[in-house]
Amino acid sequence: EDKVVQSPLSLVVHEGDTVTLNCSYEVTNFRSLLWYKQEKKAPTFLFMLTSSGIEKKSGRLSSILDKKELSSILNITATQTGDSAIYLCAAQGAQKLVFGQGTRLTINP
Amino acid sequence: EPEVTQTPSHQVTQMGQEVILRCVPISNHLYFYWYRQILGQKVEFLVSFYNNEISEKSEIFDDQFSVERPDGSNFTLKIRSTKLEDSAMYFCASSEHELYGYTFGSGTRLTVV
Repeated sequence: EDKVVQSPLSLVVHEGDTVTLNCSYEVTNFRSLLWYKQEKKAPTFLFMLTSSGIEKKSGRLSSILDKKELSSILNITATQTGDSAIYLCAAQGAQKLVFGQGTRLTINP
Repeated sequence: EPEVTQTPSHQVTQMGQEVILRCVPISNHLYFYWYRQILGQKVEFLVSFYNNEISEKSEIFDDQFSVERPDGSNFTLKIRSTKLEDSAMYFCASSEHELYGYTFGSGTRLTVV
């Protein structure tokens, strides 16, 4: 059965800290790994990773895929209170995304 | 920036009633999806749709569910006879290509009473 597991489930840090969120996957016909940020309603797209070992960056966020370990990490440096959200990892297999349960990140001022 | 639009944002319905959730995908996108998220649980795949037919569906997507693209712009999800356990946030998503990232709509919160 296809499975995506994220850790930790919950993380509370202070503004300015750096955080690393983890995602592991087992998905048939794996094509890509996606990260989303979910604040109130819709997941908003952060990254799509298809190649192993190539880091993608967007401002203070970066992510990398390890196809050998079937895992990915999402790093956020110099965190701000606006980074507080649920971060979702999803593995794309064939015609669907399989989501993890999410990491709830709370940034305290 | 182009958006996926969903209506209504919240719908309350009685058990056994039919509901139709509506979505307007991004105009040049060809792949369409429905996902749902029961409160406190994972986002779950329901169905994918391409070239006017279902390309994949999950076990959740049983005979009570159907999808339609009636007019080339709307993409609808119908639940024929709602059950209490259908209460969830339903997200529509679209993609230009099956290998590209998906854009999600803001969701319809369905409450079955």
